[in-house]
Amino acid sequence: GQQLNQSPQSMFIQEGEDVSMNCTSSSIFNTWLWYKQDPGEGPVLLIALYKAGELTSNGRLTAQFGTTRKDSFLNISASIPSDVGIYFCAGQNTGNNRKLIWGLGTSLAVNP
Amino acid sequence: KAGVTQTPRYLIKTRGQQVTLSCSPISGHRSVSWYQQTPGQGLQFLFEYFSETQRNKGNFPGRFSGRQFSNSRSEMNVSTLELGDSALYLCASSLEEGAFNSPLHFGNGTRLTVT
Repeated sequence: GQQLNQSPQSMFIQEGEDVSMNCTSSSIFNTWLWYKQDPGEGPVLLIALYKAGELTSNGRLTAQFGTTRKDSFLNISASIPSDVGIYFCAGQNTGNNRKLIWGLGTSLAVNP
Repeated sequence: KAGVTQTPRYLIKTRGQQVTLSCSPISGHRSVSWYQQTPGQGLQFLFEYFSETQRNKGNFPGRFSGRQFSNSRSEMNVSTLELGDSALYLCASSLEEGAFNSPLHFGNGTRLTVT
């Protein structure tokens, strides 16, 4: 099925560093969502974006809805060990029965 | 408020068998979606149920089916299991159908292993 291009696929960083990841699509989306999945658990919603250009923060996390409506970015500042996990982006294309389209995830490892 | 509950957490089945997975959504949520998650394919949408009706369906064969009850609880069934059906099956609930302005909340999944 259709998928988003999410990059990077994996990251290994030092504690305290900032992290950036992004998702791009060939389609326009009306909604962008960012989720985090810890091992053995289901994805947990981090940030939801509903408007082009929107910039939203959740603690050390900041996400932006790209102005072209075809991309989104997630930044994590001052990473800590519990940031380890897989981060997924998801976009909603209202022209596709409103199904969510998912990226393949960015696996983040943090070295204490 | 209790989260999305999926049972069982783990299942081991053999090829050809069938399996039923259960999902209890967050109280008040009327939409339930099911996803298959595998390392190479990410989250693949199976189907969505709202008010006991299937509202959306992914590109999976007819061996995969589901239903929703009047209390919004949902089950999915996979018949004639194949090795490739081994995956983490995730259930997610939302207030309204389509997840627009009503993000999905996921359970911890059922890990199905087919041998």
